[in-house]
Amino acid sequence: QSVLTQPPSVSAAPGQKVAISCSGSSSNIGNNYVSWYQQLPGTAPKFLIYDNNKRPSGVPDRFSGSKSGTSATLGITGLQTGDEADYYCATWDSSLSAYVFGTGTKVTVL
Amino acid sequence: QVQLHQSGPGLVKISQTLSLTCAISGDSVSSNSPAWTWIRQSPSRGLEWLGRTYYRSKWYSDYAISVKGRITINPDPSKNQFSLHLNSVTPEDTAVYYCARDRTAGHGNWFDPWGLGTLVTVSS
Repeated sequence: QSVLTQPPSVSAAPGQKVAISCSGSSSNIGNNYVSWYQQLPGTAPKFLIYDNNKRPSGVPDRFSGSKSGTSATLGITGLQTGDEADYYCATWDSSLSAYVFGTGTKVTVL
Repeated sequence: QVQLHQSGPGLVKISQTLSLTCAISGDSVSSNSPAWTWIRQSPSRGLEWLGRTYYRSKWYSDYAISVKGRITINPDPSKNQFSLHLNSVTPEDTAVYYCARDRTAGHGNWFDPWGLGTLVTVSS
């Protein structure tokens, strides 16, 4: 049901980097700001990135966000075992007049 | 530090009404900036925004098309909380329900913080 598409999973070794894509359309990502969330197993989502690329205080600079056209990307560098979680993008959809979330990406640290 | 405390039953019978409450500490449901939101998560539907209520000189509510007609989100300023009521539930409404604060700094919006979540099972 999600209108934003993410890869189901990405993985890398500790210390390496991963990039998680979030693909949408002109009615959502193309004309609105994107936020990102981290959901550790069994917990509620936690806010990571807002306004496409801004980090709130307390979020390590290993996490970064970017947007180009109708896609957004979350980057994680210096991967740690504690980063194993599901990650979701979100934005407003002007056609639906609703917030929409990505399908979610599971990050595995090998 | 803003915290959201959810309460409500974890089991609802088919065709009845699902009701949850979210109590706010550290902010006010009547603030002119944030909105107060319900989001649910299930394996089949993923994360799904259900709706929000907010105060901008008067009260407003917006709802997702998928639940419009069955949903009401009400503020309760006297108790600094807001509630979700979803009627005529079916097993498809089984999910973890989260309340969250919808914030903005002038550009986009984001959800922070989130409540801990309530697993609601719809069954006969």
